[in-house]
Amino acid sequence: AQSVTQLGSHVSVSEGALVLLRCNYSSSVPPYLFWYVQYPNQGLQLLLKYTTGATLVKGINGFEAEFKKSETSFHLTKPSAHMSDAAEYFCAVGETSNQFYFGTGTSLTVIP
Amino acid sequence: EAGVTQFPSHSVIEKGQTVTLRCDPISGHDNLYWYRRVMGKEIKFLLHFVKESKQDESGMPNNRFLAERTGGTYSTLKVQPAELEDSGVYFCASSQDRGGYTFGSGTRLTVV
Repeated sequence: AQSVTQLGSHVSVSEGALVLLRCNYSSSVPPYLFWYVQYPNQGLQLLLKYTTGATLVKGINGFEAEFKKSETSFHLTKPSAHMSDAAEYFCAVGETSNQFYFGTGTSLTVIP
Repeated sequence: EAGVTQFPSHSVIEKGQTVTLRCDPISGHDNLYWYRRVMGKEIKFLLHFVKESKQDESGMPNNRFLAERTGGTYSTLKVQPAELEDSGVYFCASSQDRGGYTFGSGTRLTVV
């Protein structure tokens, strides 16, 4: 079974600062990779995904992530944090089955 | 397009009682998934329907959990009898392909 590690259950950044949320996975085959965001009292919303092709993936709200096979990583970044980015972020990995494996989530706080 | 809808949004029941959660997927989505997040832990796969058939139920915790999908449309997840450790947020998701799920807003179940 896959395991997904999100380093840092809580991350705080100042408004305007770089956002970096880390995700590492265990997989011996090229995976499908996703980042989801959950705002308070809402469901999980897809931010971006990597399936094949370009390893730098751009998503909604200015977020992007880069698939690095050699590092088994799929870190999420945003150049400048907004107050509205405060939410919980989940990294997910899928293989050949339809089952996704999620990390434990990272709660992002944006400090004004 | 309507999203994935889950009922109820919150449920508080006593240990030993029965609870039924409902999920209405996006119309036309053959794939329906149930996931669960126990407090502070990762979101874990429970099962996967393709139309009305259970494709994979390897994540179901035990036989107190019963999932059905009537006519390949909505799905129900029944917990009977509920135990304290069943508390958590139950997410439903649907998809038509492997490009990423659309999640519902979840049902927060509290067993007291």
